[in-house]
Amino acid sequence: DAMVIQNPRYQVTQFGKPVTLSCSQTLNHNVMYWYQQKSSQAPKLLFHYYDKDFNNEADTPDNFQSRRPNTSFCFLDIRSPGLGDAAMYLCATSRGGAETQYFGPGTRLLVL
Amino acid sequence: GEDVEQSLFLSVREGDSSVINCTYTDSSSTYLYWYKQEPGAGLQLLTYIFSNMDMKQDQRLTVLLNKKDKHLSLRIADTQTGDSAIYFCAGGGNDYKLSFGAGTTVTVRA
Repeated sequence: DAMVIQNPRYQVTQFGKPVTLSCSQTLNHNVMYWYQQKSSQAPKLLFHYYDKDFNNEADTPDNFQSRRPNTSFCFLDIRSPGLGDAAMYLCATSRGGAETQYFGPGTRLLVL
Repeated sequence: GEDVEQSLFLSVREGDSSVINCTYTDSSSTYLYWYKQEPGAGLQLLTYIFSNMDMKQDQRLTVLLNKKDKHLSLRIADTQTGDSAIYFCAGGGNDYKLSFGAGTTVTVRA
């Protein structure tokens, strides 16, 4: 049973054209995370929500924003994608604190 | 955040044991995790160990934690071709965040 679901699995967008990636969870976890992972690198945390509280990493570009309308869903909005934003985007959830993070399958973003 | 280091590559023959090593700097990590990532996929939680444990065994997987040396290892017994993947170790504390190593690419050869 899928617990963390990401749609779409592959997304192609044009340079500068806004794009939204979607994540949903069936675990009822408090915390939802968005990571960016480039080829042969570790995932890099962009931001996370604890319930409705948004926490942005200091080095996350302003081009990246997020919305969490309810417990189950979280969206990653890239306002003006550049070629350097092509990457795998991973969503994860946890109960909070030091609890285990569970990852979705990722969305591979290609910017043309 | 803490620094987590891993060796980048490991090649192992099918049926042998694999040992993937990881060192970390922050002794306040509460949990230490091993994740597996197959090509084009997300991260799959393999196992984790609580910081007050020395060892954890789960079927073919054995995790050893040496807190004094801040060293974590994952042993995979009887390595199979399906074990070919990138393995990430990660440390987690009470700030909701994980610090990942760069990942070890394990290649299983026949």
